[in-house]
Amino acid sequence: GQNIDQPTEMTATEGAIVQINCTYQTSGFNGLFWYQQHAGEAPTFLSYNVLDGLEEKGRFSSFLSRSKGYSYLLLKELQMKDSASYLCAVRDSNYQLIWGAGTKLIIKP
Amino acid sequence: GAVVSQHPSWVICKSGTSVKIECRSLDFQATTMFWYRQFPKQSLMLMATSNEGSKATYEQGVEKDKFLINHASLTLSTLTVTSAHPEDSSFYICSAGSGTGASPLHFGNGTRLTVT
Repeated sequence: GQNIDQPTEMTATEGAIVQINCTYQTSGFNGLFWYQQHAGEAPTFLSYNVLDGLEEKGRFSSFLSRSKGYSYLLLKELQMKDSASYLCAVRDSNYQLIWGAGTKLIIKP
Repeated sequence: GAVVSQHPSWVICKSGTSVKIECRSLDFQATTMFWYRQFPKQSLMLMATSNEGSKATYEQGVEKDKFLINHASLTLSTLTVTSAHPEDSSFYICSAGSGTGASPLHFGNGTRLTVT
């Protein structure tokens, strides 16, 4: 079956760096997405990786290793507004999006 | 760009009534729209995939006669929850994509449905 694993919850301190990992086992691979979702709101797109390596976008970076079925989202200079759930999603060979359960990130002052 | 508008944002209805939720892509043509449901503290659950001009594809366990989906144009899809029950209370989110590859899904703001 298809599976995406990410930690349920993480806690970090304002101003610090946090890395949220995502491992996947899917039928084929056509890209990996990271989304941010604040409580009670719809997800918003953060990043997309289809080739191995690091994609940087301001304070957020996303890394992909296709051979390891692994990705991480790196958040730098954490701000209180970064408290949210972070969803990892993989597009499989049928271009279906398979969603992880999300990682709830708690930022403490 | 790539804005998806979902309406209403929240709705309260009585058990047994039907509720229609609209999802519009405002500045792009959405060949495919997806409907998700999300219960508190849980991940997104795909309910169905709708392609313009054809019947929706429902995920296993989702009743197609209860959750009616219509995708009549490239910019509009509707989800109708028929004969709603309290257990249908949830956060319903639509998303739209303009293609494959690097194009991400764009989400509507979601509809909070409460059935009393």
